[in-house]
Amino acid sequence: LAKTTQPISMDSYEGQEVNITCSHNNIATNDYITWYQQFPSQGPRFIIQGYKTKVTNEVASLFIPADRKSSTLSLPRVSLSDTAVYYCLVGEGPGGFSGGYNKLIFGAGTRLAVHP
Amino acid sequence: EAGVTQFPSHSVIEKGQTVTLRCDPISGHDNLYWYRRVMGKEIKFLLHFVKESKQDESGMPNNRFLAERTGGTYSTLKVQPAELEDSGVYFCASSQDWRQGNTEAFFGQGTRLTVV
Repeated sequence: LAKTTQPISMDSYEGQEVNITCSHNNIATNDYITWYQQFPSQGPRFIIQGYKTKVTNEVASLFIPADRKSSTLSLPRVSLSDTAVYYCLVGEGPGGFSGGYNKLIFGAGTRLAVHP
Repeated sequence: EAGVTQFPSHSVIEKGQTVTLRCDPISGHDNLYWYRRVMGKEIKFLLHFVKESKQDESGMPNNRFLAERTGGTYSTLKVQPAELEDSGVYFCASSQDWRQGNTEAFFGQGTRLTVV
């Protein structure tokens, strides 16, 4: 499974847009890119998933360039409650070529701190 | 709709004792996963059930760990005998069969196991 590299930590202020970039140079053709968010004392929570180009939902946007060797999670107008650890994961995605297997490989994640 | 629930939320046991963790997945989810994070390390996959069958148990650390999912509903993870290095947070996640559409993995809040 592809290894991912992302910043260890980031700081931002309320109302700003936050972009977290993840590198996955060895991504395979069958791999999807998925981002999870984790608050203290809680389990990870799915944010967004994509394969290529851009994906947007009510929480975030995910930008994936043509070569797919990196991806950027964009959080618009963050608030204090967005302070969390964000994980970038790469692997065969649900419903993908292998038919929906969630063996997720977590890295260290990016610890985002949003300040007033 | 109830999410993934885990019990207990916290367990403190002595080395050599037995502990059983329980996970109730979201109703209707065929896929059930166990993950854990030991101190200072990343979240690691343990195993995956499809209904009552073990699909992948490649992440189970050793034979002191036994996971079951009788009837394909809730699952238990037993550690016997517990060792100090088993301390950490154990997460359970569940997801639908990919052919039902939304297949994201939903995580429980975790069980914090402390072996003393």
